[in-house]
Amino acid sequence: GENVEQHPSTLSVQEGDSAVIKCTYSDSASNYFPWYKQELGKRPQLIIDIRSNVGEKKDQRIAVTLNKTAKHFSLHITETQPEDSAVYFCAASRGATNKLIFGTGTLLAVQP
Amino acid sequence: GAVVSQHPSWVICKSGTSVKIECRSLDFQATTMFWYRQFPKQSLMLMATSNEGSKATYEQGVEKDKFLINHASLTLSTLTVTSAHPEDSSFYICSAMGPGRNEQFFGPGTRLTVL
Repeated sequence: GENVEQHPSTLSVQEGDSAVIKCTYSDSASNYFPWYKQELGKRPQLIIDIRSNVGEKKDQRIAVTLNKTAKHFSLHITETQPEDSAVYFCAASRGATNKLIFGTGTLLAVQP
Repeated sequence: GAVVSQHPSWVICKSGTSVKIECRSLDFQATTMFWYRQFPKQSLMLMATSNEGSKATYEQGVEKDKFLINHASLTLSTLTVTSAHPEDSSFYICSAMGPGRNEQFFGPGTRLTVL
């Protein structure tokens, strides 16, 4: 079945630095790739998403890139701030079922 | 827009009892709702997909007789954990998706503790 791998599991950066989280998916039919931010005890919040017909998407300090050939997609956060500290999840789904398969999560800590 | 609520936000119950969790889409009609379970420091694991008016589709390894899902209307899905045991203690989160959209909108989650 579909599998999504996510790395690293933890990431610590200094405030102002960039953070990059990478995911790999197994199902070549996947066509939708959202990224979620989850704070402790809260619901996942969609921060950015990308569809398979696009290679890159940017929203202020956040960007996502997709390499369909390699089945990789990555989240880039620039100018990190302490409030960016949270667990980030990537996910993949395909149109037929719309089921989201989540990565294992990355705990991002931004040190002031 | 696109607000999803869950009730209750937390529940504590005795082993052997049943617990019902409600998931509502407040400002849109949700053709599909999903139920996830999340253990501490772990990812979200999809339990089942629920389409209005039809039987839920359960993921491999999820007992359909233990986790009863009902999606009777376009704005409400319920998950009933039957004969709950301590190992069922977890954070249960629903999501809802409107017609023709990929994006899922998540509820705030329900913390279930079984004593």
